[in-house]
Amino acid sequence: GNSVTQMEGPVTLSEEAFLTINCTYTATGYPSLFWYVQYPGEGLQLLLKATKADDKGSNKGFEATYRKETTSFHLEKGSVQVSDSAVYFCALSQNYGGSQGNLIFGKGTKLSVKP
Amino acid sequence: DAGVIQSPRHEVTEMGQEVTLRCKPISGHNSLFWYRQTMMRGLELLIYFNNNVPIDDSGMPEDRFSAKMPNASFSTLKIQPSEPRDSAVYFCASSPRQSYNEQFFGPGTRLTVL
Repeated sequence: GNSVTQMEGPVTLSEEAFLTINCTYTATGYPSLFWYVQYPGEGLQLLLKATKADDKGSNKGFEATYRKETTSFHLEKGSVQVSDSAVYFCALSQNYGGSQGNLIFGKGTKLSVKP
Repeated sequence: DAGVIQSPRHEVTEMGQEVTLRCKPISGHNSLFWYRQTMMRGLELLIYFNNNVPIDDSGMPEDRFSAKMPNASFSTLKIQPSEPRDSAVYFCASSPRQSYNEQFFGPGTRLTVL
C-alpha cells in the first residue's frame, strides 16, 4: 500500500543553519507530494507541493524536489529562523481512483530552532 | 475569508459521556475530512465526505464513533460513549473540487476524556 516515511525528530538547529528533513514514499503510479507544517496549537498548513517527477516545490525559503528514481521528497532550507520551529509532515496523494484526494501523512518531524 | 471552523476548541469530559465535535468547512469546498492526532499514532484519517456523502469510513476506530454531514456547511463527529483512549486532537479539513489534493485544516479540538 501507499506509505510515507520521514526522519524521526526532534531536530534541533541553531538559527541560520541548513535544514534537511528526509522523506521517502511508497506508492503505485504517480502520486502528488506535499509538505505540511504545523505550528504550536494550530492545524496543519500546506507549505509546498509537487505534482510530477522532477518538479520543485518552494515556499518561504523551503524547497523540495520530487525524485521518482529515489522515491524521495526531501525538505530543505538554507537558513532557518526561530519562527520555523514547528512540526513538518510529508504527505502523498494519489491522483486517480477512489482514494483521489486522500492524503497519507508521515509521522511528522519536530524542528526546534534556537537563537 | 474564514477558514475551517471547529468547535469546541477544547473539551474535557468524563468516561462514558457523549461528545460531539463540530466543523464548518470553507464555503465552496466539496470534500471534508476528519483526522485524529495523537503522540503515539500520529495523524490518522477517520472519515471523509465528498458532496456530503461519506466515501471512506475505514479509519473510524469502532462503532462508538459516528460522523454526519447533513449539508455542505456543517459536519459532526460524535463519540458515544467516550473512553480515555479517545483523548486526542481532532482536526477537520476541507478541500475544493479544483484542487482536491490540497486540504485546508481547522485549528482542531483538543479532547480529554477523564
